[in-house]
Amino acid sequence: ELKVEQNPLFLSMQEGKNYTIYCNYSTTSDRLYWYRQDPGKSLESLFVLLSNGAVKQEGRLMASLDTKARLSTLHITAAVHDLSATYFCAVDSQGAQKLVFGQGTRLTINP
Amino acid sequence: ETGVTQSPTHLIKTRGQQVTLRCSSQSGHNTVSWYQQALGQGPQFIFQYYREEENGRGNFPPRFSGLQFPNYSSELNVNALELDDSALYLCASSSGDRYYEQYFGPGTRLTVT
Repeated sequence: ELKVEQNPLFLSMQEGKNYTIYCNYSTTSDRLYWYRQDPGKSLESLFVLLSNGAVKQEGRLMASLDTKARLSTLHITAAVHDLSATYFCAVDSQGAQKLVFGQGTRLTINP
Repeated sequence: ETGVTQSPTHLIKTRGQQVTLRCSSQSGHNTVSWYQQALGQGPQFIFQYYREEENGRGNFPPRFSGLQFPNYSSELNVNALELDDSALYLCASSSGDRYYEQYFGPGTRLTVT
């Protein structure tokens, strides 16, 4: 059974600082997704990583995938308050978009 | 906005009742997946429909059932509601050729009392 674990689960950081969220998964998969969720809202797609070594960047967020280590990271550079949200990673379980999600990382960025 | 719509937005039901949630997928998308997200947790895969046929199911009991229609819209039905069914229900649509692009709807918040 595929398991996806994120850490940390809670992260409080100051504006301007850098930090990394880690996502480990238990079985082979070539597709990993990162989503953002604001309170009471749906999931917003951030990144889709489709191959080993994939790296994608959008603004202050950068995601990478190491399929051999079964590890993805979401790096936040010079955090700003607007990035406060819960971040989920998800791995494609049975293929074709049947996603297994991690527990989520609740990120709070303080001025 | 993803082009995926869900109705209703919020719903309150009593334990033992039945509920139907609806999802309209993005134009051109033939695959719809449903997820349940309990408060404070990650979404859990319920099932997926591809071209009107169930195409995979997660660890949910048979009282969770679904349909997909010829226009690729979808319904999630839950019978004999339990308190633990209270959650945000999300549908997501994708197309066969760009299977890795999955778009989530705004969700339906179900409260069972």
